[in-house]
Amino acid sequence: SQTIHQWPATLVQPVGSPLSLECTVEGTSNPNLYWYRQAAGRGLQLLFYSVGIGQISSEVPQNLSASRPQDRQFILSSKKLLLSDSGFYLCAWTRGRENEQFFGPGTRLTVL
Amino acid sequence: SQQGEEDPQALSIQEGENATMNCSYKTSINNLQWYRQNSGRGLVHLILIRSNEREKHSGRLRVTLDTSKKSSSLLITASRAADTASYFCAFLSGGGADGLTFGKGTHLIIQP
Repeated sequence: SQTIHQWPATLVQPVGSPLSLECTVEGTSNPNLYWYRQAAGRGLQLLFYSVGIGQISSEVPQNLSASRPQDRQFILSSKKLLLSDSGFYLCAWTRGRENEQFFGPGTRLTVL
Repeated sequence: SQQGEEDPQALSIQEGENATMNCSYKTSINNLQWYRQNSGRGLVHLILIRSNEREKHSGRLRVTLDTSKKSSSLLITASRAADTASYFCAFLSGGGADGLTFGKGTHLIIQP
C-alpha cells in the first residue's frame, strides 16, 4: 500500500531564516506531487505541483520554491521566511486521471 | 483561480441526526470530490462524483451533483461523534495534472 510522509510535523522559525520541508511517497512510482498551504480557518491553496523529476509548476508567485530531486521526493524551500509564510503545509500525491489526492499528515509552520 | 464555496461554514447537530453540507462552484468541472479533515491533520478523501453522475453513495455518505446549478451536496446520515471534522469540496476543472480547487470548508460538530 502507498504511504506519504512529511517532516517535520511542527516547526517554529524566525523571520528571515531558511526553510526546508520534505515529503516522500512510498509504494508507488511516478506520482504527481503537490504542495498546498492552509491558513487558519481557510481552505487549501495550491502552491506547486510536479509531474516528474525536476519538473515544477508554480501556481502562486511568492517567497517559496519547490524541487523534486527524486521520483518520490518533493521539497518545499525558502531562503528567507516571512511572517505571512506561517500556516499548515500539506503534501499530496495522485496517479489517476481523476486526480483523487492522498494527503500527508502536514507540517505546522510558525514564523515569529 | 475559481474557489468553491461551502455552506454552511459551521454546523452543529445532535448525534444520530443527518448532516447536510453544500458546495457551489463557478466553472465547468470534470469531477467533484469531498474530503474530511480532523483538527490538525491531513485531508482524507471521502468520495468522488463525475460530471456525468448525479448521485453517489458510500456507506453513510450520499453525494449529489447538479451541474446546471453548479452545486453539490454531501449528506451524512445517522451522524456519530467521530464525524466531527471539517469537510471540504474540491473540484477538477482542467484535463492536466493541475491540483484541485478547494472550498473553504464546513466545520461540523456532532454533539453527543
